[in-house]
Amino acid sequence: DTAVSQTPKYLVTQMGNDKSIKCEQNLGHDTMYWYKQDSKKFLKIMFSYNNKELIINETVPNRFSPKSPDKAHLNLHINSLELGDSAVYFCASSLRPTSGSETQYFGPGTRLLVL
Amino acid sequence: GESVGLHLPTLSVQEGDNSIINCAYSNSASDYFIWYKQESGKGPQFIIDIRSNMDKRQGQRVTVLLNKTVKHLSLQIAATQPGDSAVYFCAENEGTGGGNKLTFGTGTQLKVEL
Repeated sequence: DTAVSQTPKYLVTQMGNDKSIKCEQNLGHDTMYWYKQDSKKFLKIMFSYNNKELIINETVPNRFSPKSPDKAHLNLHINSLELGDSAVYFCASSLRPTSGSETQYFGPGTRLLVL
Repeated sequence: GESVGLHLPTLSVQEGDNSIINCAYSNSASDYFIWYKQESGKGPQFIIDIRSNMDKRQGQRVTVLLNKTVKHLSLQIAATQPGDSAVYFCAENEGTGGGNKLTFGTGTQLKVEL
């Protein structure tokens, strides 16, 4: 069974389009994250939700909007896609920050290419 | 801003040798450190972690050393195998006050030569 899953795995789209990436975890975790990995493999956090509440919101354009319908799902919607949005987006999950067990487990990634 | 960095972007080792991957961090508030392995086309995979109240932790074929005095972290892989070839990241966690935020280093590509 896949612990953290993402769909789609690949996403190729035109500039200006709106797209969504979905993430689901079956680990029973309370906290979920979105990370962006650029072409140089640099990983940077974008957002974090704890039990459907936004707790980390890094300096990310407001074209990016995370949504958490329940604590097992965290989706990422991107409006007006730009060339610079091309990257690999990783979802991750962990127990809540105060649990004493903060290890984050990552999904397989969504490779986004904006043309 | 503060950051986590790696000294060696690429490390080549012979199969069977030991590998050492180094990492420097600068945030003295970080209290938890993790090493991840990322194989091509996959997500980062947890390898081993260590808390700031420890200086050494061992796992299966891997050891993490933490030197808080010089803010240095290392990952040692014993008897390196071809399957160990990947990019390795260190990451620091700034604690619950930071919302469990992980700051990643730039990564080291480990290449195992047969």
